[in-house]
Amino acid sequence: AQSVTQPDIHITVSEGASLELRCNYSYGATPYLFWYVQSPGQGLQLLLKYFSGDTLVQGIKGFEAEFKRSQSSFNLRKPSVHWSDAAEYFCAVGEGSGGGADGLTFGKGTHLIIQP
Amino acid sequence: NAGVTQTPKFQVLKTGQSMTLQCAQDMNHEYMSWYRQDPGMGLRLIHYSVGAGITDQGEVPNGYNVSRSTTEDFPLRLLSAAPSQTSVYFCASWLGRAPTGELFFGEGSRLTVL
Repeated sequence: AQSVTQPDIHITVSEGASLELRCNYSYGATPYLFWYVQSPGQGLQLLLKYFSGDTLVQGIKGFEAEFKRSQSSFNLRKPSVHWSDAAEYFCAVGEGSGGGADGLTFGKGTHLIIQP
Repeated sequence: NAGVTQTPKFQVLKTGQSMTLQCAQDMNHEYMSWYRQDPGMGLRLIHYSVGAGITDQGEVPNGYNVSRSTTEDFPLRLLSAAPSQTSVYFCASWLGRAPTGELFFGEGSRLTVL
């Protein structure tokens, strides 16, 4: 069974500093990988996704992520965070012919705190 | 507005009561799914559907029933609520073709079972 690990439960970053959120997955074939963001009391919004091709993918709000097969990782990065980036971030993986349409496996999330 | 609509947004139940969480989408998406979100647990798949008349279980299906009589609607039923079902529930549909595409979420329904 596939699984997703987000090693950091909480991360605190100063406004303007760079950010990297870690995500490791367990899956045999090439996975379908996603990062979602959830602001307090809100639903989830897709930041970016990876299916194939270029291993560095660009997303919304200035985020990017890099797929590294050798490390089974899909880390999320942003060069300079803004106070509005404070939120919960979820990494997710899909598999098979559905690619996740028949269900994604989510990590437990990383809570991002932005210091002024 | 187009999207995934969940009702109600908040609900308090007593143990043993039944209720239905409604989910509707107007985007003609084939795939729909229900997740629950608990603190420190991320989101876990309850049930999903790949089209009208077809449903299947996810990771945590016990205590929940679903049906998909139309493409638009995918209700989640709690037949006898338990405190362990206190959670935030999200309905989602798949935007785009499988396997490419993405999950598009509703705003969530917060359920408390006393």
